[in-house]
Amino acid sequence: AQSVTQLDSQVPVFEEAPVELRCNYSSSVSVYLFWYVQYPNQGLQLLLKYLSGSTLVKGINGFEAEFNKSQTSFHLRKPSVHISDTAEYFCAVSFFGNEKLTFGTGTRLTIIP
Amino acid sequence: DTGVSQNPRHKITKRGQNVTFRCDPISEHNRLYWYRQTLGQGPEFLTYFQNEAQLEKSRLLSDRFSAERPKGSFSTLEIQRTEQGDSAMYLCASSSMTGTRSGGEQFFGPGTRLTVL
Repeated sequence: AQSVTQLDSQVPVFEEAPVELRCNYSSSVSVYLFWYVQYPNQGLQLLLKYLSGSTLVKGINGFEAEFNKSQTSFHLRKPSVHISDTAEYFCAVSFFGNEKLTFGTGTRLTIIP
Repeated sequence: DTGVSQNPRHKITKRGQNVTFRCDPISEHNRLYWYRQTLGQGPEFLTYFQNEAQLEKSRLLSDRFSAERPKGSFSTLEIQRTEQGDSAMYLCASSSMTGTRSGGEQFFGPGTRLTVL
């Protein structure tokens, strides 16, 4: 079965420290990969996406992610977090031949001053 | 470009009542998607349209749910005989890619939060 796993439901990080949010997927077909951010009482905003090409993808707000096909992972990283990064982060995948997005359960990032 | 808009933002209803939500996509986006998000979970796909054609429906979309996009612009999602388990955030998204394999970005609206008492 095709699925997306975000193992960490909550990640507390001190301000200006680096962070990595983990995402793994399971699929027997090729995939497109996305990271979305959701601020309280708002919709989802795209941070970055991997469609093809370079496996290191840079997004908005200083975030980047690396696609690792052998480990079926797409972890999100930021070298130095800010209070404003406090939000829920969702990894999402679309599988070959299917337009819908399959989301992970999300990781709540909390920045500690 | 005003983004994807959804109305109402909040809806409280009694069990057994019918509710209808509206989504206005980004103008000229030919694809429109509906997702449902319950507390502590990621969004789950419900259905999607390309222009006015409904191309896929999830098993989550029971026969009490119906979605339309009559002129290929705005869309409505109706839930008949609401149940407490229908309480969730209903998200709409749109994208502009064409073809069978797009990988295009889906732009999300702010959602409609439904509470069924």
